[in-house]
Amino acid sequence: DADVTQTPRNRITKTGKRIMLECSQTKGHDRMYWYRQDPGLGLRLIYYSFDVKDINKGEISDGYSVSRQAQAKFSLSLESAIPNQTALYFCATSRTGRTDTQYFGPGTRLTVL
Amino acid sequence: TQLLEQSPQFLSIQEGENLTVYCNSSSVFSSLQWYRQEPGEGPVLLVTVVTGGEVKKLKRLTFQFGDARKDSSLHITAAQPGDTGLYLCAGAGSGNTGKLIFGQGTTLQVKP
Repeated sequence: DADVTQTPRNRITKTGKRIMLECSQTKGHDRMYWYRQDPGLGLRLIYYSFDVKDINKGEISDGYSVSRQAQAKFSLSLESAIPNQTALYFCATSRTGRTDTQYFGPGTRLTVL
Repeated sequence: TQLLEQSPQFLSIQEGENLTVYCNSSSVFSSLQWYRQEPGEGPVLLVTVVTGGEVKKLKRLTFQFGDARKDSSLHITAAQPGDTGLYLCAGAGSGNTGKLIFGQGTTLQVKP
């Protein structure tokens, strides 16, 4: 079984709709992250959480919110989706330590019409 | 703001050729990682380099961290079609912030 899972894998929605993307991990890691990926822009950090009571904004948090329901679960919400939020979204986890290695889920492809 | 400039963005070569991908910054990183991503999947870590001047080899892939820890390179010898994918470099800042700064990525296509 995958260590980091994301649901749904694909989602098509309309402008103005509320969308939630979910991430679960069985790696026992304390840190979790949400990124979006756009062609030619690499991965950009949306939000990150170092434990259940810790939530931090990344470089592109506007239009997004998150919830860390448990150590193993981190969800990303788009309160009112807009077309320029069409992208590939990745959840990642890491363990506090020196090398900051991150482990990624398979991604959610979101299309906002 | 820390930035990582990755080049080239696209590379299309024939099987058996050699190639080098570069990752450059004006900032110092405590470590630098290289990830590979295939379509429909998330990035997967290939290697982490920590010490300035460090060289690591992974079969036909050679990774080097610059002496000043501001840049890195990935060299592939005798590329194979199975090397096709998106290669991403990512730098970790000092102070164990837990955050990575990603380069834009290099899309490599190796033709048989």
